[in-house]
Amino acid sequence: GAVVSQHPSWVICKSGTSVKIECRSLDFQATTMFWYRQFPKQSLMLMATSNEGSKATYEQGVEKDKFLINHASLTLSTLTVTSAHPEDSSFYICSAPTVGNTIYFGEGSWLTVV
Amino acid sequence: AQSVTQLGSHVSVSEGALVLLRCNYSSSVPPYLFWYVQYPNQGLQLLLKYTSAATLVKGINGFEAEFKKSETSFHLTKPSAHMSDAAEYFCAVSDRSGGYQKVTFGTGTKLQVIP
Repeated sequence: GAVVSQHPSWVICKSGTSVKIECRSLDFQATTMFWYRQFPKQSLMLMATSNEGSKATYEQGVEKDKFLINHASLTLSTLTVTSAHPEDSSFYICSAPTVGNTIYFGEGSWLTVV
Repeated sequence: AQSVTQLGSHVSVSEGALVLLRCNYSSSVPPYLFWYVQYPNQGLQLLLKYTSAATLVKGINGFEAEFKKSETSFHLTKPSAHMSDAAEYFCAVSDRSGGYQKVTFGTGTKLQVIP
């Protein structure tokens, strides 16, 4: 069946550096993908909608210059956390809908900024 | 705008007892409704989903949920809790306004199963 894969699953980076998280649809094409963030003991909040071939759409309160999203192909979206700070430490997860609007989530990526 | 409300951030049940996790939704158009489970330090796993077909939806691991339009509810149940059911459960909604693709999650309910 359809699978969405995220990489890396776990990443630790130093404060001030940038880190890239990949979201791939493995056996289907996704013109749209979604990025969510989950802070400890909180729910998942939609950050942005990634659109293949065009700019991402960010939710209110999400800094587009800090969270760079690139939907480079029909199977790959990347989220780059730029100049990461400890408060960016979170669980980031992507989703991709199939043609029938079945939504598949990636495994998620745990980011720790030290 | 779509939203879901999960009643009870923590629910404790004894092993073998009924599990009932409550979810109420708000949507101006017919919604799709989901229940996801998240085990500690893991990603999301879809338990079940309602997409306007049968109102009683059966999912994995013995869970089921019933869509009740009159009550705007989509409560999750399991007849007999197992220790392995201990996890966090999220109710979620999507609707036509987001192309049925943009999912809004509830705040989650952490289920504790007592031996």
